[in-house]
Amino acid sequence: GIQVEQSPPDLILQEGANSTLRCNFSDSVNNLQWFHQNPWGQLINLFYIPSGTKQNGRLSATTVATERYSLLYISSSQTTDSGVYFCAGDSNTGNQFYFGTGTSLTVIP
Amino acid sequence: GAVVSQHPSWVICKSGTSVKIECRSLDFQATTMFWYRQFPKQSLMLMATSNEGSKATYEQGVEKDKFLINHASLTLSTLTVTSAHPEDSSFYICSARDAGLSVTQYFGPGTRLLVL
Repeated sequence: GIQVEQSPPDLILQEGANSTLRCNFSDSVNNLQWFHQNPWGQLINLFYIPSGTKQNGRLSATTVATERYSLLYISSSQTTDSGVYFCAGDSNTGNQFYFGTGTSLTVIP
Repeated sequence: GAVVSQHPSWVICKSGTSVKIECRSLDFQATTMFWYRQFPKQSLMLMATSNEGSKATYEQGVEKDKFLINHASLTLSTLTVTSAHPEDSSFYICSARDAGLSVTQYFGPGTRLLVL
């Protein structure tokens, strides 16, 4: 199966700081998405970003499909941004959705 | 839009009993639903993919007789953990893919299972 590596695995930020999270895929994937898992376990869709760049408020994401990686930018971080961030994508058959290893973010006041 | 619900949100049961978890797409039709398992501080592991009206496809290492999946309608899939044991304790999450043009997956809030 496809291996999805995220970095860094853990990140502690001071409120107001910016950060970049990275997601590397071992093979081509389709339908790449970024999620935020809150402390209660709910996965929240952040971006559907198979290629290119999108922005939503303080968050933006860029996927370079030809090089099999995606980046999530968080600017002016807030304590509510804390949680685990996952990237995930489909295999070429579309029948399996592979999750990354996750980045655990803690934003301190 | 695109809301997925799960029920129950948490369950505690005795070893040897069976537990059924429901996953519903509330405002869209889902031809495909996925079931995941997540252990503390780990990523989500895909257990099986269910398509409406057909048998589920299980990932390698997942016992199909242990984790029964039924996708009887375009809005409902169920996961039954049969003869649960303490090692089955985990956080189970379902997701659904819109039957329309969207390929985005939407996730339920998860079910925490504790087997005593």
